[in-house]
Amino acid sequence: QVQLVQSGAEVKKPGASVKVSCKASGYTFTSYGISWVRQAPGQGLEWMGWISGYIGNTNYAQNFQGRVTMTTDTSTNTAYMELRSLRSDDTAVYYCARVGWGMFGFDYWGQGSLVTVSS
Amino acid sequence: QSALTQPASVSGSPGQSITISCTGTSRVVDDYNYVSWYQQHPGKAPKLVIYDVSNRPSGVSNRFSGSKSGTTASLTISGLQAEDEGDYYCSSYTSRKTWVYGGGTKVTVL
Repeated sequence: QVQLVQSGAEVKKPGASVKVSCKASGYTFTSYGISWVRQAPGQGLEWMGWISGYIGNTNYAQNFQGRVTMTTDTSTNTAYMELRSLRSDDTAVYYCARVGWGMFGFDYWGQGSLVTVSS
Repeated sequence: QSALTQPASVSGSPGQSITISCTGTSRVVDDYNYVSWYQQHPGKAPKLVIYDVSNRPSGVSNRFSGSKSGTTASLTISGLQAEDEGDYYCSSYTSRKTWVYGGGTKVTVL
């Protein structure tokens, strides 16, 4: 069965960086893209960007341009999202999600990784 | 402010039907037929219930249906059940090859 398993919770200081991992299993990793979506406490969903599982090309949301880098490691079927220059309003649960085949919806999601930014 | 506008809350009694609207600019919703809907329960990851306007993923109840007219997409839940209570988000794939979300709608089963 398809699974996306994310790394654990992190606590970071303002100005630091965080790198969240998302290990995929149960499908051919290179055949699907991965998107990253975050959710601040009590708030809605915010799309951050997308990375191809095959070539690794990316497309980032304008709000995160210059501060986010998404990568993949096809040898371990793992996607990564690094966010730099963290601020307190980056405190959120970060989700990875697979873009479904032949669709533009996210059909499988990771369990989420809480990132807390606090001095 | 989200690019897609949803009502903050919608409620209904068990067995009733409710509809959640999702309105965006023409560039966001009208250009493509790629609107998705997600259900989220507290503390859980979102779950896809409708993709590409009106398609249901395998395993999703046929009580969920989607449609679109102009720049407004809609999610209808028929035969409302207690388990349908939660937050619902619409999302659209845009002409700039990005995704945008609505602000979310809290569904309450009375």
